[in-house]
Amino acid sequence: EAGVAQSPRYKIIEKRQSVAFWCNPISGHATLYWYQQILGQGPKLLIQFQNNGVVDDSQLPKDRFSAERLKGVDSTLKIQPAKLEDSAVYLCASSLVGVGVDTIYFGEGSWLTVV
Amino acid sequence: AQTVTQSQPEMSVQEAETVTLSCTYDTSESDYYLFWYKQPPSRQMILVIRQEAYKQQNATENRFSVNFQKAAKSFSLKISDSQLGDAAMYFCAWAGANSKLTFGKGITLSVRP
Repeated sequence: EAGVAQSPRYKIIEKRQSVAFWCNPISGHATLYWYQQILGQGPKLLIQFQNNGVVDDSQLPKDRFSAERLKGVDSTLKIQPAKLEDSAVYLCASSLVGVGVDTIYFGEGSWLTVV
Repeated sequence: AQTVTQSQPEMSVQEAETVTLSCTYDTSESDYYLFWYKQPPSRQMILVIRQEAYKQQNATENRFSVNFQKAAKSFSLKISDSQLGDAAMYFCAWAGANSKLTFGKGITLSVRP
């Protein structure tokens, strides 16, 4: 079974530039998550999708971050304009339904450095 | 709001020995799930073990077991017969009915050969 795929793996941009990350969840997984992990901290949920609808985006900085999940499969997370404090690993994860019922599987993450 | 606390930033264990990683949490919900995730340098989060709060029996997965104390809101991970490949960051996490995972700050485990 293929895992959660993310790209690009590494990205370095200057502040005020934009960046986009792509995620392909495990086939058949209805729930997709984007987490932000700053160095030395645990991951923090940015947004959760159920199929192509948003379940929770309470911690997404909506003035600069946006995410979409077209057709309930792939997802894209965009940051525009980027700030220095956005330097982090962005982890995509998926599960069949929800963590209370099933296991969440994580991708290897997209490392972002903002200079 | 739910919080997960891992107060030890680092621990070290001798190969083949046993180590226990501590975690406490705070929640007002009665139905929830607890997890330990392993994160190697590649940064991929790998599920080690999960515990449903309604189950009194502690979960075990091969060399990994938990000590779940619901009243004390404590959820520690015991790794037996430690191996070099166990060296990584370990995160304790909580999830409630909304399936949102809340992570602790993590602990770095090193294994001495």
